[in-house]
Amino acid sequence: DGGITQSPKYLFRKEGQNVTLSCEQNLNHDAMYWYRQDPGQGLRLIYYSQIVNDFQKGDIAEGYSVSREKKESFPLTVTSAQKNPTAFYLCASSTAQGLVNTEAFFGQGTRLTVV
Amino acid sequence: GNSVTQMEGPVTLSEEAFLTINCTYTATGYPSLFWYVQYPGEGLQLLLKATKADDKGSNKGFEATYRKETTSFHLEKGSVQVSDSAVYFCALSYSGGGADGLTFGKGTHLIIQP
Repeated sequence: DGGITQSPKYLFRKEGQNVTLSCEQNLNHDAMYWYRQDPGQGLRLIYYSQIVNDFQKGDIAEGYSVSREKKESFPLTVTSAQKNPTAFYLCASSTAQGLVNTEAFFGQGTRLTVV
Repeated sequence: GNSVTQMEGPVTLSEEAFLTINCTYTATGYPSLFWYVQYPGEGLQLLLKATKADDKGSNKGFEATYRKETTSFHLEKGSVQVSDSAVYFCALSYSGGGADGLTFGKGTHLIIQP
């Protein structure tokens, strides 16, 4: 079945460590996105990528980094520079080109906790 | 840029009550419109969509009509159940893609009491 997979579901990080969240999709989508969600809050865009080897900062990119070496994969690294990383992270994908405006597909999310 | 505005929550209703969650949008061109639902601890799931003016999306008893003249896409359900308790997000997708091409409202937390 086609879909988008995030791993791990739960992640614990010590202060000062970098951690990487995985996001893989087999939907052949061009565009991929990372969002952060805090309790009772909406989605805030961290990074997005419309094509392989290209990505753009979203609204809250500071303290995060991404790569897009393959169409299927868009990993997010939460660096030690991110001062308040505890949150729920959501990855999404959609088609980015053409005349059809398709919906975004979401992974199940990764809950990151700093300990 | 594009934007989506939806009513703030939480919205608390009794079981079998009628539900309306308002959503309005601002966008250039002709976006598609969506409602997503998020259950606790999970990702967002597509609930329904409409791709052009006057289209009605429907699923699981929920409905929403794409009103271009009022730039609205209000979510309705005739009789809610406790299992409908979740956070609902209104969203638009624009063929230009990118950050502006995928825009979400802030979400409305719906609580249904037995």
